[in-house]
Amino acid sequence: SQELEQSPQSLIVQEGKNLTINCTSSKTLYGLYWYKQKYGEGLIFLMMLQKGGEEKSHEKITAKLDEKKQQSSLHITASQPSHAGIYLCGADRGGGTSYGKLTFGQGTILTVHP
Amino acid sequence: EAQVTQNPRYLITVTGKKLTVTCSQNMNHEYMSWYRQDPGLGLRQIYYSMNVEVTDKGDVPEGYKVSRKEKRNFPLILESPSPNQTSLYFCASSTTGTSGRAFNNEQFFGPGTRLTVL
Repeated sequence: SQELEQSPQSLIVQEGKNLTINCTSSKTLYGLYWYKQKYGEGLIFLMMLQKGGEEKSHEKITAKLDEKKQQSSLHITASQPSHAGIYLCGADRGGGTSYGKLTFGQGTILTVHP
Repeated sequence: EAQVTQNPRYLITVTGKKLTVTCSQNMNHEYMSWYRQDPGLGLRQIYYSMNVEVTDKGDVPEGYKVSRKEKRNFPLILESPSPNQTSLYFCASSTTGTSGRAFNNEQFFGPGTRLTVL
């Protein structure tokens, strides 16, 4: 089974609405990436969170890392059609000790209707 | 411009015909990795390399080979492709910085190679 589970798997929202995507790990998270992908294209780096309780923002996207819950959330405020795409979370498979083995969630497909 | 390039971008081939997908980065990154992306399965790591001549298996290495003879290049080799290797492939690179860990640094991804094996 996936070590990183994302929810929801897909999300359809109206432009202007807020939304949250969650990424839950079966192992303790020592850090986490968030990437965005347009369908069939490469991945665009959004944020990297390394410390428990850390929160980072970029434009209208905020990500938090909650180590106690082994979870990270990505929140988009006032969504726009440009936010549409696939959001993926990724983490170190070795729990901070693998030095290279990385795992990703299955992705969340976001659709934003104008 | 800092980038990761992959070639070819699209490839249709037949079962058993050896192929190589090239990956090159111009950022002097130590770490490089190959992933495949399939619907519902997300991104799965095939092989990775911490530096020249240092490679290791990821989650799904069966049916693939890699080599890292130069720092900038990390080709993915399919000796005898099969239809279950039909997928979207991504190469990525990052520096390992002072920690020696790939994770602590942003990974730069290539544009992807869409492979179809008939």
